[in-house]
Amino acid sequence: DQQVKQNSPSLSVQEGRISILNCDYTNSMFDYFLWYKKYPAEGPTFLISISSIKDKNEDGRFTVFLNKSAKHLSLHIVPSQPGDSAVYFCAASGIEYGNKLVFGAGTILRVKS
Amino acid sequence: GAVVSQHPSWVICKSGTSVKIECRSLDFQATTMFWYRQFPKKSLMLMATSNEGSKATYEQGVEKDKFLINHASLTLSTLTVTSAHPEDSSFYICSARQGLNQPQHFGDGTRLSIL
Repeated sequence: DQQVKQNSPSLSVQEGRISILNCDYTNSMFDYFLWYKKYPAEGPTFLISISSIKDKNEDGRFTVFLNKSAKHLSLHIVPSQPGDSAVYFCAASGIEYGNKLVFGAGTILRVKS
Repeated sequence: GAVVSQHPSWVICKSGTSVKIECRSLDFQATTMFWYRQFPKKSLMLMATSNEGSKATYEQGVEKDKFLINHASLTLSTLTVTSAHPEDSSFYICSARQGLNQPQHFGDGTRLSIL
């Protein structure tokens, strides 16, 4: 039972364009959402988070949008750079889960120069 | 800030050996640390949650006698894989969190290979 789903296993984007990574969740009790970036053989790096009381959070080139009614969040990267090529994991958390993270399966982003 | 150091990064050892992995938060105090395992091409699987000074809480299906966790201080947690066998070969990653609704910060992981 996947509670956090990243339905696109991979995404390819041209350098300078926008990358949009999507994530859906099933449990309305989640109230905190995060995006992590991961390179091979390294641990995930925290990118950006959003609380369920907000619908948008921006940090430099990264913006996360949350649509609670659709149980959907997305990460926008603009402009995309070759160094952004990595696996991106969406994660959700909530008090019901002891604030543990539930991860999606990840999306491989390739930014072509 | 928010650096988590994990050591060693790679271990190769014989079947039956016990292996200890350390996880340290370098520039913050971590009230909670987490241990994950990642299988090839799969997402991170939470093994256990560790709060400083108390026993770890293990996820369903994770053998607590096999994977011993100690969280002796606010900056250090250890995972010991006891009597490791080839099926324990995996990528183990720790994370640390300063408080509730704070992001988890991850170490770089330990590649464990049991021959």
